[in-house]
Amino acid sequence: KAGVTQTPRYLIKTRGQQVTLSCSPISGHRSVSWYQQTPGQGLQFLFEYFSETQRNKGNFPGRFSGRQFSNSRSEMNVSTLELGDSALYLCASSGMLAGGETQYFGPGTRLLVL
Amino acid sequence: EDQVTQSPEALRLQEGESSSLNCSYTVSGLRGLFWYRQDPGKGPEFLFTLYSAGEEKEKERLKATLTKKESFLHITAPKPEDSATYLCAVRTNSGYSTLTFGKGTMLLVSP
Repeated sequence: KAGVTQTPRYLIKTRGQQVTLSCSPISGHRSVSWYQQTPGQGLQFLFEYFSETQRNKGNFPGRFSGRQFSNSRSEMNVSTLELGDSALYLCASSGMLAGGETQYFGPGTRLLVL
Repeated sequence: EDQVTQSPEALRLQEGESSSLNCSYTVSGLRGLFWYRQDPGKGPEFLFTLYSAGEEKEKERLKATLTKKESFLHITAPKPEDSATYLCAVRTNSGYSTLTFGKGTMLLVSP
């Protein structure tokens, strides 16, 4: 099976702009989660989608939003970018492995805000 | 609030020098403890899931163990290619699929 794919891999934006990141989960996986990774804070949970519905959300401002489509592909959007939004954005899809559910991560989108 | 603490933050080993990484957690209702490996510029790669105290899992030079308060990742006779950041994460009863991560241990194995 193909792994989780994320596009684009790299982005450079300026403050005030908005950005949309895309994630395609592993075939058959219906849950997609997004995380932000920075050197200071580590991996922090943004939100999770399951069957096109957001079922969990982390402690991020409303500038961060997402959605999931009927084919389980997901997008996240960040509006009014700030310098502090520079990070690696990781998408993970969840599937069953022997014994339980496991999250598999994509390679990430590296966002730099200038 | 769920908390995951990893120690040490960084560890430097000589090739063949065995050691252990620690992950301590405070959660309400553990539904799984996960270990991932992350290489620079890449996404985390799944290693192990542990579900109950006393459980152990092995993969090549790595062995993960779990107690009611912490997990250890034992690295036996490491090689330079084991150099990476090792991340520990927990899933709880209240979080659906959500993982709460520790900040990781950066391991460097020198030849």
